[in-house]
Amino acid sequence: DQQVKQNSPSLSVQEGRISILNCDYTNSMFDYFLWYKKYPAEGPTFLISISSIKDKNEDGRFTVFLNKSAKHLSLHIVPSQPGDSAVYFCAASGYDYKLSFGAGTTVTVRA
Amino acid sequence: DTAVSQTPKYLVTQMGNDKSIKCEQNLGHDTMYWYKQDSKKFLKIMFSYNNKELIINETVPNRFSPKSPDKAHLNLHINSLELGDSAVYFCASSLGANTEAFFGQGTRLTVV
Repeated sequence: DQQVKQNSPSLSVQEGRISILNCDYTNSMFDYFLWYKKYPAEGPTFLISISSIKDKNEDGRFTVFLNKSAKHLSLHIVPSQPGDSAVYFCAASGYDYKLSFGAGTTVTVRA
Repeated sequence: DTAVSQTPKYLVTQMGNDKSIKCEQNLGHDTMYWYKQDSKKFLKIMFSYNNKELIINETVPNRFSPKSPDKAHLNLHINSLELGDSAVYFCASSLGANTEAFFGQGTRLTVV
């Protein structure tokens, strides 16, 4: 049973524009949320996280928004760059030493 | 220096064999994990160790046996390999619960 869902398998965006990735979760016990980026043949790399006590966290070009009532979070990348082309995974944790991952969204940044 | 390193990166073996994947982290983390990425690309937790103690065993067949000789190492031994074990296995570590996990490069296991 997938508790973290990324319903868009792919996203194509022009260089310089905003990329918006979405993620929904079903487990109300989740209180910590993360985004990872993954290149082929490499492990996932941590990007940004947010605790359930916040609704926004920003780090450079990356901003994560959390809407607890809707059980929804999103990742904004502004401006998108060619090096951002990768698979992005949403993950969530409920203080139980494990991360539940979404299926990933493949982002392609067009020049 | 690589933070989380696992070996080998590729492993091709026959059904019925026994194999091990090694993982080491130099981040000083207390918690280590094994995740499996299957053919559908889902990343799923298999095991979690905190201070060398097993704290999560996510209904993994007992042919899979993790071993943590110390906090910096978590190895995965797999007995009697089956075709369905083919996947990419990722080791990871973190400071503890509700903290970001750092992943190794992955081991692509192919059982033929």
